Amino acid sequence: EMVLVESGGGVVQLGGSLRLTCAASGFTFGDYPMNWVRQAPGKGLEWISYINGESKIMYYADSVRGRFTISRDNAKNSLYLQMNNLRAEDTAFYYCTKDDRTGWYSEHWGQGTLVTVSS
Amino acid sequence: QSVVTQPPSASGTPGQRVTISCSGSKSNIGTHAINWYQHLPHTPPKLLIYSDNQRPSGVPDRFSGSKSGTSASLAISGLQSEDEADYYCAAWDDRLQVWLFGGGTKLTVL
Repeated sequence: EMVLVESGGGVVQLGGSLRLTCAASGFTFGDYPMNWVRQAPGKGLEWISYINGESKIMYYADSVRGRFTISRDNAKNSLYLQMNNLRAEDTAFYYCTKDDRTGWYSEHWGQGTLVTVSS
Repeated sequence: QSVVTQPPSASGTPGQRVTISCSGSKSNIGTHAINWYQHLPHTPPKLLIYSDNQRPSGVPDRFSGSKSGTSASLAISGLQSEDEADYYCAAWDDRLQVWLFGGGTKLTVL
């Protein structure tokens, strides 16, 4: 069974840092592109970052570029999101998603982890 | 700053057919396939339609997708109470080099 489990969320102060982890199982992790998508309270879904299977291609939303870094460790079946200089507007539920092999749709989503940036 | 636009709400009665629209531009919907996601309360989003009109295994054929030019639609026929959820379209944008979600449509089953 394909499973994605996010962890690392919590309460962090304005300007602080946090590292999210997505532990994957049930599939050959390195064969698939992955994403981070978030949902702020009362708002819609917002895609924030993509990484291909070999970590050679990464994309970021304008809202996080320069502050967030996506990475993966295929040997550990893990996806990461390093979040620096956090802002109040980064408060959200963060989901990791597994794409299909081509990277054209997110076919599986984790349960999410909540990040709260407090002042 | 969503450049992919959905109506904020839609509604229907059980058994009815409802459609949800998604409007974009040449650089996103006009060039690339669109995906639809269903987000039920207290659960993670779920892929509903991919590549404009393809249903993943397990998605009922009551759900269908279509696209024409820079607009796309999700149709739900035989509406059921469990279809009450938020629905999002998503497309890659060549110009911005980002994935764009529509703002989401809250579907209410009356």
